[in-house]
Amino acid sequence: GAVVSQHPSRVICKSGTSVKIECRSLDFQATTMFWYRQFPKKSLMLMATSNEGSKATYEQGVEKDKFLINHASLTLSTLTVTSAHPEDSSFYICSAPLLGPVIPSTDTQYFGPGTRLTVL
Amino acid sequence: AQTVTQSQPEMSVQEAETVTLSCTYDTSESDYYLFWYKQPPSRQMILVIRQEAYKQQNATENRFSVNFQKAAKSFSLKISDSQLGDAAMYFCAYSGGADGLTFGKGTHLIIQP
Repeated sequence: GAVVSQHPSRVICKSGTSVKIECRSLDFQATTMFWYRQFPKKSLMLMATSNEGSKATYEQGVEKDKFLINHASLTLSTLTVTSAHPEDSSFYICSAPLLGPVIPSTDTQYFGPGTRLTVL
Repeated sequence: AQTVTQSQPEMSVQEAETVTLSCTYDTSESDYYLFWYKQPPSRQMILVIRQEAYKQQNATENRFSVNFQKAAKSFSLKISDSQLGDAAMYFCAYSGGADGLTFGKGTHLIIQP
């Protein structure tokens, strides 16, 4: 199956600093990637869609200046949490859809292992 | 906007028995995709099964099968011969195609040995 990696898996930072999270599709290309946020014992909430070669699109209520997204290549998207505060502490997960004539086919998203962010 | 509802916060089943997890959704689209994902304690999201809305046949993957009722907007997951390794959070999810997923709140499945 398709593999998506995330780095780092865990990060602790001080309030006011910025943190960058990387999402990579290891064995396939992804023109689109998605970023989700998951609070403890809660569901995943879509934050934004990362588009290779163009601006990310953000879901309603998500601050684009707080959560900067860059889709640098067909296998890499980064999420930067700027001026992080304790309320930004969460589990961040990325996903990428596998495209092309493979099984399973399009529109199946594969998820990275997630990044746990703790802001002190 | 699409919504996905999982009305069972927690389900418990004896090992080797069968359990059904419920999911309903709301959409005005005619073409879409539905998924069940499993999230074990590691928090890695694992695809269990997917269903294309245009297909009338219910999807099956080994011990996992769905009951897809398009008119009722219902998409339940049946796990047969439950195993201890099936214990996890199960999320029902909707996709309009090239969109991100809309998830339900999840069902915590407990397997009793």
